[in-house]
Amino acid sequence: GAGVSQSPSNKVTEKGKDVELRCDPISGHTALYWYRQSLGQGLEFLIYFQGNSAPDKSGLPSDRFSAERTGGSVSTLTIQRTQQEDSAVYLCASSFRDNQPQHFGDGTRLSIL
Amino acid sequence: GQNIDQPTEMTATEGAIVQINCTYQTSGFNGLFWYQQHAGEAPTFLSYNVLDGLEEKGRFSSFLSRSKGYSYLLLKELQMKDSASYLCAVRPATGTASKLTFGTGTRLQVTL
Repeated sequence: GAGVSQSPSNKVTEKGKDVELRCDPISGHTALYWYRQSLGQGLEFLIYFQGNSAPDKSGLPSDRFSAERTGGSVSTLTIQRTQQEDSAVYLCASSFRDNQPQHFGDGTRLSIL
Repeated sequence: GQNIDQPTEMTATEGAIVQINCTYQTSGFNGLFWYQQHAGEAPTFLSYNVLDGLEEKGRFSSFLSRSKGYSYLLLKELQMKDSASYLCAVRPATGTASKLTFGTGTRLQVTL
């Protein structure tokens, strides 16, 4: 497709389980970002990829969170041993270069029971 | 640190003009973005300002004053479909700081 694609669109899981969220950026976009949006909060930066490397991981809230990007394209955000406070919408964005406007996917709504 | 303030909610009438303000205090500045986000949907890019002044794009305009740490988004000829949240975001100085820092958003309700 032409836009950023994220899957799954919704994920409900039990506390303590691991989850993987996927992002397919716009073709040709070298920069990829993960954000988190909690109810009543602004978008919170998690991690930034330039190609396959992550020069800025400063937003990852704990070592339970990790992300990788392969082939300069698809990225996976993994949350281990999920907690209820991890419940949020996880948004992925990509841009042609790191100083260009970011284009967002529809997000994954994660609910931890 | 980064601090971005914008009103939580605004209401305006169809056909009217509305101005959504955003003030920011950031460590360095390399551009300000406005995004529109309808409920349950992805934020969509509206405008980008890096120099002082007004950028006009159809019914939407965005203004920036770097010395005042201030921006506004102006929406003209409001339509019902403009009911959405409007997010102000700042990109800090250059380097590896390509991430955006977002305000909490302004929820705009357009009424008849």
